Amino acid sequence: SQQGEEDPQALSIQEGENATMNCSYKTSINNLQWYRQNSGRGLVHLILIRSNEREKHSGRLRVTLDTSKKSSSLLITASRAADTASYFCATDQVDSSYKLIFGSGTRLLVRP
Amino acid sequence: NAGVTQTPKFRVLKTGQSMTLLCAQDMNHEYMYWYRQDPGMGLRLIHYSVGEGTTAKGEVPDGYNVSRLKKQNFLLGLESAAPSQTSVYFCASSPPFGRGLETQYFGPGTRLLVL
Repeated sequence: SQQGEEDPQALSIQEGENATMNCSYKTSINNLQWYRQNSGRGLVHLILIRSNEREKHSGRLRVTLDTSKKSSSLLITASRAADTASYFCATDQVDSSYKLIFGSGTRLLVRP
Repeated sequence: NAGVTQTPKFRVLKTGQSMTLLCAQDMNHEYMYWYRQDPGMGLRLIHYSVGEGTTAKGEVPDGYNVSRLKKQNFLLGLESAAPSQTSVYFCASSPPFGRGLETQYFGPGTRLLVL
């Protein structure tokens, strides 16, 4: 079963707007990661946040983690058409070594 | 560095045929993974390996076998392909977990169609 579940499943915004995607998970984690997938391509790592961190920034990306609610959010500020892609969260579970569990993803469309 | 490469990029099989998907990485990573991705869904882990000569089952291992004879290569085999195995297959590699380097690096994928 999927550990991470993203919300919403699909999101359509205008260029320049901010995009927020959420991820919920079920068990204790060591870290949570966000990946991006352009259509027809492999996944690319965006950012990793550890269980003892609450917020992390990378360029136009901001990730928050609330371990008490078992949830994370990815904010993309000032979106561009090139940000159009699917975004997946992945969790490194405490009781499941060596692998990540991926969610079902959010499809983001940024309209020019 | 080429990163993670997958061969072939696309393949059509008939039900019952066999094939092997090859994954190669040049980053000297210990861990390697095979996933499948079906339309509109996330990745599901098929098998993984935490080192040369070791393999383990993931979430959906039935119908697949794997081998890791060399550190840089991870092979995924389908002994008797079924239409339910039509999917896009991704290989990934990563450094060992627990050292702050748990990022996975993905190949471009292999599209498999089983008729």
